Amino acid sequence: DVKVTQSSRYLVKRTGEKVFLECVQDMDHENMFWYRQDPGLGLRLIYFSYDVKMKEKGDIPEGYSVSREKKERFSLILESASTNQTSMYLCASSSPRGRGGNQPQHFGDGTRLSIL
Amino acid sequence: GEDVEQSLFLSVREGDSSVINCTYTDSSSTYLYWYKQEPGAGLQLLTYIFSNMDMKQDQRLTVLLNKKDKHLSLRIADTQTGDSAIYFCAAPSGGSYIPTFGRGTSLIVHP
Repeated sequence: DVKVTQSSRYLVKRTGEKVFLECVQDMDHENMFWYRQDPGLGLRLIYFSYDVKMKEKGDIPEGYSVSREKKERFSLILESASTNQTSMYLCASSSPRGRGGNQPQHFGDGTRLSIL
Repeated sequence: GEDVEQSLFLSVREGDSSVINCTYTDSSSTYLYWYKQEPGAGLQLLTYIFSNMDMKQDQRLTVLLNKKDKHLSLRIADTQTGDSAIYFCAAPSGGSYIPTFGRGTSLIVHP
């Protein structure tokens, strides 16, 4: 079974802090994703990566950056945390697009981040 | 409108069937997915269907796809309290290989 592990289930930080959220997958997947989930808004894509050192902006990249130095690890960085970044953050990974189309994403358990 | 739409809530009685609906706009040939999210957890892949199929059955789950109307549904037979969760539809959007998620349907199962 695919295992996507997020380093923290719950995190509390202060406004202005630099925050790192870590995600590791063990299935040698090329693609990795960061989403945030807010009530009534569903999942919104922040950033994704299709290879080591490659990154692409998603729908809401403002205030975030990412790092992919190794294939199995994808980090989300909040450069200067603000209260409106309080949310549930979900990491996912997937295989590259095959002949059949997009491959299923496998999710971690999420990190519930509170910015005070 | 949004690229992938779902109703936000569904309430059913234990033992009844649940039907969760999803509409989408992109007609790309690819997979469409249903995910389940239990409280405090991430999303779990529930089932999927390829866009050239009409139906897929997996135990209590039946996925129906109407490609012409771009309508996807998930039927859960004999719904149990353990089925209470948020169900997300994921479908293609804007030609991207990354699926777009609907806002999720909260399924509430009561005795």
